[in-house]
Amino acid sequence: AQSVAQPEDQVNVAEGNPLTVKCTYSVSGNPYLFWYVQYPNRGLQFLLKYITGDNLVKGSYGFEAEFNKSQTSFHLKKPSALVSDSALYFCAVRDGGGSYIPTFGRGTSLIVHP
Amino acid sequence: ETGVTQTPRHLVMGMTNKKSLKCEQHLGHNAMYWYKQSAKKPLELMFVYNFKEQTENNSVPSRFSPECPNSSHLFLHLHTLQPEDSALYLCASSQGVNPGGRGSSYNSPLHFGNGTRLTVT
Repeated sequence: AQSVAQPEDQVNVAEGNPLTVKCTYSVSGNPYLFWYVQYPNRGLQFLLKYITGDNLVKGSYGFEAEFNKSQTSFHLKKPSALVSDSALYFCAVRDGGGSYIPTFGRGTSLIVHP
Repeated sequence: ETGVTQTPRHLVMGMTNKKSLKCEQHLGHNAMYWYKQSAKKPLELMFVYNFKEQTENNSVPSRFSPECPNSSHLFLHLHTLQPEDSALYLCASSQGVNPGGRGSSYNSPLHFGNGTRLTVT
């Protein structure tokens, strides 16, 4: 069985500061991990993914995520937050040993203050 | 432009009406999904089609009826809905899983439409 947890409903950060949105996962096989962003009145947009290889993956809009196998985490990061980064962020996982249908986290609302 | 188009963007319907939501993708994908997104609730998977075959029905009430006539189109037929069915309905697509194998579909992110905002009065 696969599961994913986003422990924070909301993250607040000042513009220009680094941001982290947390995600942990549980799978029986190899994890396929994804981050998505959702702006108001829009669908989810793909940001980045980890499949294999380098633990630090880079994605759209300056975001990156770090895969940590021992901590079963895949936290989303950005060195310098922008007000326009304010949105809802979803982590998702597919279990390489299970279903191709991804499981999504509950979402984390990121608010970047000017 | 997301590559996945949903119509209508907004829909208001009474509890006795019948309406349909439409989703169309031209990304060459073979898996299509319906999700429900309500305020303060997580994304709820409703239905999944893989190569036009329904592979998932997540205990959805029968007042929601999906249809997938081909890999590019997905419909959600609605009838006798309840006010609690008011939500944003999202369609998504991705690479499918070839019957009998996994292929590279696990790498494929989902591509979402911008949703239909449904209000049931």
